[in-house]
Amino acid sequence: DAGVIQSPRHEVTEMGQEVTLRCKPISGHNSLFWYRQTMMRGLELLIYFNNNVPIDDSGMPEDRFSAKMPNASFSTLKIQPSEPRDSAVYFCASSFRTGRSGELFFGEGSRLTVL
Amino acid sequence: TQLLEQSPQFLSIQEGENLTVYCNSSSVFSSLQWYRQEPGEGPVLLVTVVTGGEVKKLKRLTFQFGDARKDSSLHITAAQPGDTGLYLCAGDNYGQNFVFGPGTRLSVLP
Repeated sequence: DAGVIQSPRHEVTEMGQEVTLRCKPISGHNSLFWYRQTMMRGLELLIYFNNNVPIDDSGMPEDRFSAKMPNASFSTLKIQPSEPRDSAVYFCASSFRTGRSGELFFGEGSRLTVL
Repeated sequence: TQLLEQSPQFLSIQEGENLTVYCNSSSVFSSLQWYRQEPGEGPVLLVTVVTGGEVKKLKRLTFQFGDARKDSSLHITAAQPGDTGLYLCAGDNYGQNFVFGPGTRLSVLP
């Protein structure tokens, strides 16, 4: 079975450019999460969706960040314009949530470097 | 704001030694999970503990959930180099989001 698939694995861009990260969750999962990981701040939740609907985006740093989930098999995280402080590894994770349970399955991450 | 703290932040030990890492919070969670992350990969679930006081064993790893469901510990017996990695605890916020601790970075030297 395919796991969570993220692309690109690595992206190097210049400050001010638009960055789009993509995620394909595991088929049948009803929740999708975007996390950002840095050495200083660890794993931070940016936004999560339940049944394709954004539930909590309070972790999105600012208006430069946006996320969409147009259908159950695809999500994007966009940064526009990008800044050097956005450099991090961005993880997408999906889960089948039933009541209070569910395991997170992570993708391999997208390592973003903004010069 | 729900926060999870983990200690120690870093741990370097020799192969064969025992160790315990801790995860603490002032918040109650519906369950708590432990993940291990290796370089260049996403975290992978090790265990989920749900009931206060619960103890689960996974080979040489023993996980315990505190009675009040606010804290947890992970004990590794006879650590091996393959145990090296970042150990993350995550609190399940009653079916909503997951809150992650900062992690314990373990290095087991041969």
